[in-house]
Amino acid sequence: GDSVTQMEGPVTLSEEAFLTINCTYTATGYPSLFWYVQYPGEGLQLLLKATKADDKGSNKGFEATYRKETTSFHLEKGSVQVSDSAVYFCALNRIRDDKIIFGKGTRLHILP
Amino acid sequence: GAGVSQTPSNKVTEKGKYVELRCDPISGHTALYWYRQSLGQGPEFLIYFQGTGAADDSGLPNDRFFAVRPEGSVSTLKIQRTERGDSAVYLCASSRLGQETQYFGPGTRLLVL
Repeated sequence: GDSVTQMEGPVTLSEEAFLTINCTYTATGYPSLFWYVQYPGEGLQLLLKATKADDKGSNKGFEATYRKETTSFHLEKGSVQVSDSAVYFCALNRIRDDKIIFGKGTRLHILP
Repeated sequence: GAGVSQTPSNKVTEKGKYVELRCDPISGHTALYWYRQSLGQGPEFLIYFQGTGAADDSGLPNDRFFAVRPEGSVSTLKIQRTERGDSAVYLCASSRLGQETQYFGPGTRLLVL
C-alpha cells in the first residue's frame, strides 16, 4: 500500500546550519506530496506542498522538490533558526480516496 | 478567521469509561477528518465526513469508536469502554470541497489510566 518513509530523528543542528530531512514514498500513481510541521504545543500546519513531478514547494525558507524518478520529497533549508525546532512530517495524498498518509515524523532541535 | 478548534485539549479517563471529543471545523469547510497520533508516530486516518455523512470510516479501529456530524459542522468522536491503548492525541482537520489541503486543530490528548 501507499506509504511514506522519512529519516528518524531527533536531528540536532546548530543555528545557521544547512538542513536536509529525507523523505521517500511508495504510491500508486502520482500523489500530491506535503510537508507538515508541528511546533511545540501547537497543531499540525502545512509547511509546503507539490502536486506534480518536478514541482518545488517552498515556504519560510524551506524547499522540497517532487522527484518522481527517485520517489523522494526531501526537505531542505539553507540556514536554520532556533525557531525552526519542531517535528516535521512528510505526507502524501492517496489518489484513490484522498486520504493523507503521514510519515512517522522527524524531530528537529536547533541549538543557538 | 478562526482555525479548527478541538475540546477538550486534554482528557484523562479511566479504563472502561466513555469519552467524547469535539471538533469545530473552519467555517465553510464541508470535509472533516479525524486522525489518531500515537507517541512517536505520524497521524493515522480514522474517519472522513463530507457534509453530514461519514464518507469513509475505514480507519476506525473497532466498534468502540464512533463519530457523528449531525449538522455538517461540529463533529464528535465517541469512544466507548476505553482501553489504555486508546491513549493518543486525536486530531481533527477540515478542508473545502475539492481542495486537498487539510487544516488541523491542536488535538485532544487522551490518557486512559
